[in-house]
Amino acid sequence: AQSVTQLDSQVPVFEEAPVELRCNYSSSVSVYLFWYVQYPNQGLQLLLKYLSGSTLVKGINGFEAEFNKSQTSFHLRKPSVHISDTAEYFCAVSEKAAGNKLTFGGGTRVLVKP
Amino acid sequence: DAGITQSPRHKVTETGTPVTLRCHQTENHRYMYWYRQDPEHGLRLIHYSYGVKDTDKGEVSDGYSVSRSKTEDFLLTLESATSSQTSVYFCAIRSPGTGNGEQFFGPGTRLTVL
Repeated sequence: AQSVTQLDSQVPVFEEAPVELRCNYSSSVSVYLFWYVQYPNQGLQLLLKYLSGSTLVKGINGFEAEFNKSQTSFHLRKPSVHISDTAEYFCAVSEKAAGNKLTFGGGTRVLVKP
Repeated sequence: DAGITQSPRHKVTETGTPVTLRCHQTENHRYMYWYRQDPEHGLRLIHYSYGVKDTDKGEVSDGYSVSRSKTEDFLLTLESATSSQTSVYFCAIRSPGTGNGEQFFGPGTRLTVL
C-alpha cells in the first residue's frame, strides 16, 4: 500500500522569502506524484504533477518540485512567496494501476507574513 | 473548473438522521470519488465509482453508502448520521484520457452532525 508523509504540518514564512515543503512517499510500485493547494474555504487545486521524464517539474504560480526516486521524495519549492500563497498544500501519490486512487499526505499549512 | 458542483454546500443535521450529499458533473467523466477532510486525518477516500452502478469502497467507507444511477451524479448517503461524521466532504473526478490518477475537486460540502 502507498503512503505519503508531509514532514511539516505548519510553515511560517516571510513575504518574498523562499519556501520548501517536504514530501516523502512509500510504494512498492511506480507512482505518479502531485501537489495540490487548498485556499481557505475552497476545494483542492492542482499545482503540479510528476508523471515521467525530467525530475524537475514546474507548476502554476511559480512553484516547482523535484522528484527524487532514491530518496522517495517530491519536495515543493518557491523562490519568493507572496501573501496570496497562504494556503494548505497537499502532496499526493497515485500508483500506476487500475482505479488510480490518490493517497494524500496530511497537509502543510503555509502562513506568509508581511 | 471541471464542471463539478456539490449540494448542499452546508448542512446541519441531528444524530440518527439520514443525509444525502450530491455530486454533479457536466463532462461525462467515468471516475468519481468521495473524500472527507478532517484536521487530524487530512483527506481520506470514502468510496469511488468507475461507471454507472459500479462503485467500490475506499479507506473509510463504514457508515457510508453511494449510488450512481447516471454518469453525471454520484450520491453519498449517511444512513444514520453520527457526530464523528461531522466533516467537509469533497467530490472529485478523474482527469480523462491520462490514466495517471490526476483528479479535479468540487467546492466541498460542510456537514455538521449535532
